[in-house]
Amino acid sequence: GENVEQHPSTLSVQEGDSAVIKCTYSDSASNYFPWYKQELGKRPQLIIDIRSNVGEKKDQRIAVTLNKTAKHFSLHITETQPEDSAVYFCAAGGGGATNKLIFGTGTLLAVQP
Amino acid sequence: DTGVSQDPRHKITKRGQNVTFRCDPISEHNRLYWYRQTLGQGPEFLTYFQNEAQLEKSRLLSDRFSAERPKGSFSTLEIQRTEQGDSAMYLCASNTGTGFNLGANVLTFGAGSRLTVL
Repeated sequence: GENVEQHPSTLSVQEGDSAVIKCTYSDSASNYFPWYKQELGKRPQLIIDIRSNVGEKKDQRIAVTLNKTAKHFSLHITETQPEDSAVYFCAAGGGGATNKLIFGTGTLLAVQP
Repeated sequence: DTGVSQDPRHKITKRGQNVTFRCDPISEHNRLYWYRQTLGQGPEFLTYFQNEAQLEKSRLLSDRFSAERPKGSFSTLEIQRTEQGDSAMYLCASNTGTGFNLGANVLTFGAGSRLTVL
């Protein structure tokens, strides 16, 4: 069945360092790969997304890369700040007749000041 | 607030009782999704509507769960004979009728309805 694996489950970095979160997906028909940030007690909020016709996308300190052959995609956060601390979820979907997103299990990012 | 609204935000019930959650999506959004999230996990897909039609339902969804979107606007999710394992955050999300691969089609989430079954 459809599955999205996400690693690591927790990540602690020093302020100013970079953070990388990796995901793999199983459904080769997936063509949309968003990343959501969820702060404690709040709703998931989209921070960046990428479609299958693009290999990389950047928005200020955040970038996402996609390797469709390997079914891997990654989130890169540079110059991390304490306010980046949250749980980050990757997701994959949009392929075929379905329009649902399948989410990874999340990465708790802690940025130490 | 013109985002996705969910009600109630919190519900505490006793095992065996029925509960109903309501979701009001963004008005121009044709597609509506229900997800369930437990502590430490990502949102798990439950079901999906395009307008009033329920087009997909997770195989993991018990028969005790039913969802409706009668007029293609708001949706309700009902859980009958609740069990302690139903305790979770129930998230509603919506987006426009175009496919993910056809353009901007961001999935916008509501704040969720947290269910606690005692």
